[in-house]
Amino acid sequence: KAGVTQTPRYLIKTRGQQVTLSCSPISGHRSVSWYQQTPGQGLQFLFEYFSETQRNKGNFPGRFSGRQFSNSRSEMNVSTLELGDSALYLCASSHATGMRTEAFFGQGTRLTVV
Amino acid sequence: DQQVKQNSPSLSVQEGRISILNCDYTNSMFDYFLWYKKYPAEGPTFLISISSIKDKNEDGRFTVFLNKSAKHLSLHIVPSQPGDSAVYFCAASGWEKAGTALIFGKGTTLSVSS
Repeated sequence: KAGVTQTPRYLIKTRGQQVTLSCSPISGHRSVSWYQQTPGQGLQFLFEYFSETQRNKGNFPGRFSGRQFSNSRSEMNVSTLELGDSALYLCASSHATGMRTEAFFGQGTRLTVV
Repeated sequence: DQQVKQNSPSLSVQEGRISILNCDYTNSMFDYFLWYKKYPAEGPTFLISISSIKDKNEDGRFTVFLNKSAKHLSLHIVPSQPGDSAVYFCAASGWEKAGTALIFGKGTTLSVSS
């Protein structure tokens, strides 16, 4: 069974640009959540999508947005990039059909803003 | 305001001995707890979880203990192996956020020497 796939693995962008990251969940998983990992703040929850609807949202500015498609694939967009957005962005998928289940993570996209 | 705290940034243990990683939480609404292991440049790997209706869960060399009154959980690894050397994250979720919005601690780096 294929795991969570994130593309691209590495990305370099300039301040002010926007970026789109992609995540393909494990087959059959309907929940996709996104996290930002930085050395200072650790792993922080961005948002979660379930059946194409945003179900939960963390404390990030509106520049961070996402969406989920009917095949459960998800994209995350960051507009007007700032230097502080440099981080490892991780996507996780789970069944999440009402019971508590573990989330499985992809390898992440390393974003560097210069 | 950190809701999940891992107060020990690092832990060193000899091969064959027990590793005990600790985690404290402040939100009494948390009802599901997970431990993840992470190597550099990779996504976190799920290790073990525990629901708040239990106080112990075992899986092979890994055991998680939950003390709800103290809002404390711990991960025991017995026996520790050099391949266990990684960063370990404690994570929690609660009923007020259905789904997989995980709140992570900042991690403990475990080093197992042979």
